[in-house]
Amino acid sequence: GAGVSQSPSNKVTEKGKDVELRCDPISGHTALYWYRQSLGQGLEFLIYFQGNSAPDKSGLPSDRFSAERTGGSVSTLTIQRTQQEDSAVYLCASSFFMVTDTQYFGPGTRLTVL
Amino acid sequence: DQQVKQNSPSLSVQEGRISILNCDYTNSMFDYFLWYKKYPAEGPTFLISISSIKDKNEDGRFTVFLNKSAKHLSLHIVPSQPGDSAVYFCAASEGGSEKLVFGKGTKLTVNP
Repeated sequence: GAGVSQSPSNKVTEKGKDVELRCDPISGHTALYWYRQSLGQGLEFLIYFQGNSAPDKSGLPSDRFSAERTGGSVSTLTIQRTQQEDSAVYLCASSFFMVTDTQYFGPGTRLTVL
Repeated sequence: DQQVKQNSPSLSVQEGRISILNCDYTNSMFDYFLWYKKYPAEGPTFLISISSIKDKNEDGRFTVFLNKSAKHLSLHIVPSQPGDSAVYFCAASEGGSEKLVFGKGTKLTVNP
């Protein structure tokens, strides 16, 4: 079946603009994760969705970042008033249920804030 | 404060030899560890995992060793192949948490 897809693959924006990044998880996967990889860094956890439970937002770096997951499937990560330090690759992953289930990653969205 | 550390940013080995990638962690509550492999312009792909109740897990050419007392794990690839050239990330999670904490990665180059 299809893997995790993300759009756009690349996004260039100006400082201060809002951006939306989209993730389509694997069908049937109830868990969805967002990570960020800044240059030279490892993956940084941002947010986790599991079914209809309240998301774990503990990794979001500021209140400019938000995410939602509609109908338990597609997720959108929104960054408001983007800053240059937001430039990174944003990766989405999904898994069947829990962290010990394999997380399947999408190809990521490379965000560049000028 | 980096809880998962991969101190070698890069490693180069000859085809057919063993590749050993190392990872250290500081959080003694971590009880599940994973290795991911990442090619350029692609998302990471799961390679192998180990629970803290074990000290070794093997899958084909890949073996992960866990030394809980030293808070150290390693990934052995034998024999190494040019297609193994990628960035390898070590990750860990704490019991009951759905968050994975990743290291910065080690870039492995396997030379033909």
